[in-house]
Amino acid sequence: AQKITQTQPGMFVQEKEAVTLDCTYDTSDQSYGLFWYKQPSSGEMIFLIYQGSYDEQNATEGRYSLNFQKARKSANLVISASQLGDSAMYFCAMREVSGGYNKLIFGAGTRLAVHP
Amino acid sequence: EPEVTQTPSHQVTQMGQEVILRCVPISNHLYFYWYRQILGQKVEFLVSFYNNEISEKSEIFDDQFSVERPDGSNFTLKIRSTKLEDSAMYFCASSPDREVGQPQHFGDGTRLSIL
Repeated sequence: AQKITQTQPGMFVQEKEAVTLDCTYDTSDQSYGLFWYKQPSSGEMIFLIYQGSYDEQNATEGRYSLNFQKARKSANLVISASQLGDSAMYFCAMREVSGGYNKLIFGAGTRLAVHP
Repeated sequence: EPEVTQTPSHQVTQMGQEVILRCVPISNHLYFYWYRQILGQKVEFLVSFYNNEISEKSEIFDDQFSVERPDGSNFTLKIRSTKLEDSAMYFCASSPDREVGQPQHFGDGTRLSIL
């Protein structure tokens, strides 16, 4: 079974609108972390936001927020007020305690296109 | 803001040749990682390194691969005899610790092309 599933290969949004990128995960660990990274066309990986499994509040970081639904094992990224520079690939990733917190497990990614 | 630096940005190598990819992690970080991303695919974990030894490696990280921290600043990935399927983007990452909430900071990647 996939550990991280991103079901939207591509999404588009109008500039200034909000967009939600989906991520579901599969783990039997009680302690884990969920991360979102942005990969622009230039290729670098940029950390955006983190949600811990024990966090009761949804994480927020500027225009990024995480809609964390633990019972459904989902950690969707919400980007508010989209900008042209948000066009990129977005990856959801997980870190499990059973993995020794060493590795990140990535989803397949969602390519977001922001239209003017 | 300190960042992870990778060189070269693009490496072209003949199949069967050895290649060394170089990384300078963030200076106060203790945990180092290599990941790879085959074109159009997900990012895959290769290896993690702490205290001068490998702490975890994936199935991809076979005997053709090795990592080294030759001095206090560099962290290298060596592929001994490259194959066509080694063509990918290779990312180095580092983190100060391995707490569950600690993000790993990635370099800009080295694009490796095997001919």
